[in-house]
Amino acid sequence: SQKIEQNSEALNIQEGKTATLTCNYTNYSPAYLQWYRQDPGRGPVFLLLIRENEKEKRKERLKVTFDTTLKQSLFHITASQPADSATYLCALESNDYKLSFGAGTTVTVRA
Amino acid sequence: DVKVTQSSRYLVKRTGEKVFLECVQDMDHENMFWYRQDPGLGLRLIYFSYDVKMKEKGDIPEGYSVSREKKERFSLILESASTNQTSMYLCASSPGTGGKYEQYFGPGTRLTVT
Repeated sequence: SQKIEQNSEALNIQEGKTATLTCNYTNYSPAYLQWYRQDPGRGPVFLLLIRENEKEKRKERLKVTFDTTLKQSLFHITASQPADSATYLCALESNDYKLSFGAGTTVTVRA
Repeated sequence: DVKVTQSSRYLVKRTGEKVFLECVQDMDHENMFWYRQDPGLGLRLIYFSYDVKMKEKGDIPEGYSVSREKKERFSLILESASTNQTSMYLCASSPGTGGKYEQYFGPGTRLTVT
C-alpha cells in the first residue's frame, strides 16, 4: 500500500540553527512533491513544489531536495527563527492524480 | 490572493443530526476538495469535485456526501453525524488536478459531535 512517513518526533531546535525534516514514501512514483506549513487551528499554506527532475529547490531560507531513488524529500529551514515554529506537511501525487499528505512534523524554534 | 472561506470555525452537533459544512472560493478554480484531519493521521481526502455537479470519492467517503451546484461553492454533508466524525474539516481549491498544482486551504471547521 502507499505510505508517506515524516519525522515521527517533533523537532525542537535553537534559533539560528538549521531544521531538517524528512519525508519518505513507498509505492508512489510522484512527478511532483509539495511542502506546506500549518499553524495551530489553521489550514495548511503552500510553501514549495519540486519536480522529479529537480534535485533541489530554494525559496528564501527554505531548501527542498527530492531523491526519487531513495524515495525521499528533505526540507531544510536555515537560520531558523521562532516564527518558523509550525507543523510542516509533505504532499505528493498519488496514482490517481490526487494529493496525498503526510501526517506532518511539528517544529519548535527556541529563542 | 486566493481566498477560501468556510462557513464556521467551530461547530457542535448532536449524534444523528444532519450537518452542512460550506466552502466558498473566489478564484474560479475548477477543483475543490474536502479533507478531514486527525492527530497522527494527517489529511485524508473525503471527496473532491473537478467541475460543477461532478464529484469523486476520496479515501474515506463513508458517512459523507457532497454538493457542488455552483463553481465557487462546495458543500460537505454529514447525513447523520456520529461521534467518530468529530474532527477538523478542511476545504481546499486548486486550478488543476495532480501534484503540479498547489492547493489553497480554508481555515478549517472544528466539528464536535456529542
